[in-house]
Amino acid sequence: AQKVTQAQTEISVVEKEDVTLDCVYETRDTTYYLFWYKQPPSGELVFLIRRNSFDEQNEISGRYSWNFQKSTSSFNFTITASQVVDSAVYFCALRERSGGYQKVTFGTGTKLQVIP
Amino acid sequence: GAVVSQHPSRVICKSGTSVKIECRSLDFQATTMFWYRQFPKQSLMLMATSNEGSKATYEQGVEKDKFLINHASLTLSTLTVTSAHPEDSSFYICSASLGLAEETQYFGPGTRLLVL
Repeated sequence: AQKVTQAQTEISVVEKEDVTLDCVYETRDTTYYLFWYKQPPSGELVFLIRRNSFDEQNEISGRYSWNFQKSTSSFNFTITASQVVDSAVYFCALRERSGGYQKVTFGTGTKLQVIP
Repeated sequence: GAVVSQHPSRVICKSGTSVKIECRSLDFQATTMFWYRQFPKQSLMLMATSNEGSKATYEQGVEKDKFLINHASLTLSTLTVTSAHPEDSSFYICSASLGLAEETQYFGPGTRLLVL
């Protein structure tokens, strides 16, 4: 079973629209971490946010906001007033303990295209 | 802070040759480094976890003798693709964290390998 599911493969929005990227995860650990990374066309992964399993407070950073719902195992990411520079592939990731080692599992990514 | 570099950024080689990719943490000491592989339009797949001064831990299905990992210092890990073949062509990304318990991984810019 996929541990991190990003059901939206590609999304296109017009500039200034809001967009939400979905992420659903699966884990048996009680302590885990969730991440969002941005991968622009250049390829480099940019860290956006980390959230631990005990902190369900939503977070806002500028135009970015994250909604962590433990009850539904979701960690969704919303971009408000999207801009062309937001065009990238966004990965949701889960960090959990596996066989004594911490490892990060990435979702399949959502490609966001913001049209001017 | 938390800058990770990779060298080279792009390499083209002939089938049968070996290629070495370096991953360096520039402004912090990384006791743990991770190597990922990403095929076009796909997610990142963890290949191995590299701990300074000890043998790397490989994920299931990753050939240890094919992908040699050395983590000789707290700021440098190398991945050597031995006897490269066209199917090894991929985007290789390393990441580093302060330790196995450190929550966040910081990613390098990646290395694009093309084997002819």
